[in-house]
Amino acid sequence: GAVVSQHPSRVICKSGTSVKIECRSLDFQATTMFWYRQFPKKSLMLMATSNEGSKATYEQGVEKDKFLINHASLTLSTLTVTSAHPEDSSFYICSARDPALDTIYFGEGSWLTVV
Amino acid sequence: GENVEQHPSTLSVQEGDSAVIKCTYSDSASNYFPWYKQELGKRPQLIIDIRSNVGEKKDQRIAVTLNKTAKHFSLHITETQPEDSAVYFCAASMRGTALIFGKGTTLSVSS
Repeated sequence: GAVVSQHPSRVICKSGTSVKIECRSLDFQATTMFWYRQFPKKSLMLMATSNEGSKATYEQGVEKDKFLINHASLTLSTLTVTSAHPEDSSFYICSARDPALDTIYFGEGSWLTVV
Repeated sequence: GENVEQHPSTLSVQEGDSAVIKCTYSDSASNYFPWYKQELGKRPQLIIDIRSNVGEKKDQRIAVTLNKTAKHFSLHITETQPEDSAVYFCAASMRGTALIFGKGTTLSVSS
């Protein structure tokens, strides 16, 4: 079964509202998780590194006030897209590294559609 | 930060032929180089990976080679089959840091 679970798999929201995406590591404790955005037919672009118990590290060009990341426990990181706009519509996917196995696992991904 | 370049962006081969996809990376500290296959809207699927202490790794029809001096690594698929048609991504990272992906290669295998 999946070792990293991401929910929801699909979400539609209205412009101006906020939506939260969850990423859970099921079989291991992940001190670090990563969030990516992927537009259709494009590559996975790293948005931020989520660190348990501390602030996320955002990549250049990613608005930290718009994409809120919280990593309050060793098994859960959340990405909240605030004041969503149609251009935020994308595939968002998380990953987590199992330090014991030195292996990276991806969540199932979340399709966000802002209407 | 790390930058990964991937070529070609599209690749068409006949069934049974070999396919080669190449990537270069910029950060000499990177030491982990995986290759992923991805279907639209699905999570990337790891197909093979290599670490910086190894020059080549093979798994049945798939092989990856790494040249640390030149900072490039390649995916080789032999005896291609139609089901190998997909988008392939290379990536690079240092231990504990995020994977940085190439832009992807759309492989089409025609029968």
